[in-house]
Amino acid sequence: RKEVEQDPGPFNVPEGATVAFNCTYSNSASQSFFWYRQDCRKEPKLLMSVYSSGNEDGRFTAQLNRASQYISLLIRDSKLSDSATYLCVVGVTGGYNKLIFGAGTRLAVHP
Amino acid sequence: EPEVTQTPSHQVTQMGQEVILRCVPISNHLYFYWYRQILGQKVEFLVSFYNNEISEKSEIFDDQFSVERPDGSNFTLKIRSTKLEDSAMYFCASSARDIETQYFGPGTRLLVL
Repeated sequence: RKEVEQDPGPFNVPEGATVAFNCTYSNSASQSFFWYRQDCRKEPKLLMSVYSSGNEDGRFTAQLNRASQYISLLIRDSKLSDSATYLCVVGVTGGYNKLIFGAGTRLAVHP
Repeated sequence: EPEVTQTPSHQVTQMGQEVILRCVPISNHLYFYWYRQILGQKVEFLVSFYNNEISEKSEIFDDQFSVERPDGSNFTLKIRSTKLEDSAMYFCASSARDIETQYFGPGTRLLVL
């Protein structure tokens, strides 16, 4: 079983649409959770950390269910500039924080 | 805004040659990491480094790989004898504390011929 699993997509949506990405992780020792965004041939950039209580940042809402080992990201009112690959990332902490990446979900927002 | 920098942006080398990839982490960060991403694949952890020693390394990080913090600012990844399968994008990252956000550099694209 992959450590972090994501639907690879692509998700093709029109501008203004709401889109949801899901992710599951297998390591119950995971202690931190993130969504990163990666544009083609660029470095991963932090989109948002994910907290147990759920958190929102503008059009982006992230949820974490530790019991189910499930993470989600909701993007409302999609913009063309949201087109990218969204990486579900978990951190395993033990004096350092090893990040384990999912393969990413590709999003293409069209006019 | 402080950022992680990496040089070179691209490196082409012959199989069997040594390469050194360089990174300048964010200045007040204490934890340093290397990741790699083979074209079309996911980002993979290579090694973490804290207090001048390796904290953890992955199976990928074999004897051909080494890391060093030669001075107060640089953090390097050396591949002693490159193989074709080492061709990838190598990302350096740093964080202020172990559980805090890791910030990634723009990467070095390594091509081994």
